This record gives sequence, structure tokens and C-alpha cells, in this order.
Amino acid sequence: AAGVIQSPRHLIKEKRETATLKCYPIPRHDTVYWYQQGPGQDPQFLISFYEKMQSDKGSIPDRFSAQQFSDYHSELNMSSLELGDSALYFCASSPLRPNEKLFFGSGTQLSVL
Amino acid sequence: DAKTTQPNSMESNEEEPVHLPCNHSTISGTDYIHWYRQLPSQGPEYVIHGLTSNVNNRMASLAIAEDRKSSTLILHRATLRDAAVYYCILRDGRGATNKLIFGTGTLLAVQP
Repeated sequence: AAGVIQSPRHLIKEKRETATLKCYPIPRHDTVYWYQQGPGQDPQFLISFYEKMQSDKGSIPDRFSAQQFSDYHSELNMSSLELGDSALYFCASSPLRPNEKLFFGSGTQLSVL
Repeated sequence: DAKTTQPNSMESNEEEPVHLPCNHSTISGTDYIHWYRQLPSQGPEYVIHGLTSNVNNRMASLAIAEDRKSSTLILHRATLRDAAVYYCILRDGRGATNKLIFGTGTLLAVQP
């Protein structure tokens, strides 16, 4: 069965650079969620999209932005990268029916040097 | 979102049952109890969820207290592959989105 696809798997950037992470949800899933997980931390919700509109917002820094496209894939854009942005970034998808479970991708490991 | 409290870590032996507790004394009537787990270097994975009645699926069972202030995830026969962080999460069934707010889960170690 198709799963949530994230790219790239690993990304190395330097301070003040920009990064773009991509997420391809499971077919027919219209909602995408982004999470950040620092070393030894629990996943923190950043933002979610439904039908290309932002549906919920968590602790996403102003330096980050995200969008969902017409094919439902989503991109997380990160600018002016800081050392503290080094983390595992997960994308998840689900249908928007109440109480649907989330399916997570394998994540993108971002290292900021 | 209502909070949950779980032990930081637990240990089990392979092929023995494991009972992972979760306290959620401030749960509201519309909160569903969800369990996810995260294996090392992987994204979280759905395990089970329920509202009031006990639930069973091929992965686990969920026992919910009558007053709903606590619940227990039951792995009937632990395997080495069950070693993971287990998260108990409350989610409002009326919520506009299905987002999950992760707290501090239980790190389960399984000994051979």
C-alpha cells in the first residue's frame, strides 16, 4: 500500500540558508500535517492543511512557511536556518473525516551546521 | 487539549503481556483516547483508539476505565519489534482537524 512519501530523507544546510521539505500524502488523503522532532524530544505539531487551506497552526516559527498544492502534496519552506532547527521533520496525512488516524512518513532529517 | 500522564519507561520480557497505563483525569466527554507508537528512527504509527468501550485490533487491546479517567494499552505478547515510545493522546472527536498533540510517552524496552 502507498505510504506518505517525504523528500529528501536527509538534508544538510548551513546557518542562514534556506531549505524546502516535500511531502506527498497517501492518495485520496486531503489533509496534511507537519511535525518537528528535536533530538530526544517528542514530536511537536507545526501546521496542517486541508484542501490547500491552512487548517490549524501550532508552534511554527515565523521563518517557516508551508503550503499545500492542487495535487495535495505539501512543502515546508524554512528560511534563515538556525542551529536549533536541526531536527527530524515528519509529515502525516489523513482524510478529514472525524477521528481518522494519521499516517506518518519516515521523516526528513535536517542538520544545520 | 486535555493532558495525559504516562510512565517515562517500562520494561518487559519477550512473549509476555505488557500493560501500558495512561492517566487522563481531565478528559472530556467528546475526547477519544488514541495510542500511537514510534519505533527508533521512524515516524509515529497508529496503534488503536477508543471512546468508552474496550477495543481490540490485531496490534493491541485498549482497556478504558469506567470513569474514563485512565486507560491501558495491552500488548498481548511483546516482541523485540514492539520496543518503541508509546504515546497516549486525547483528541476531541468534534475537532475541526485530526491533528495530534504529543506529550511525553512511555519508552518500552523488551528484553529477549
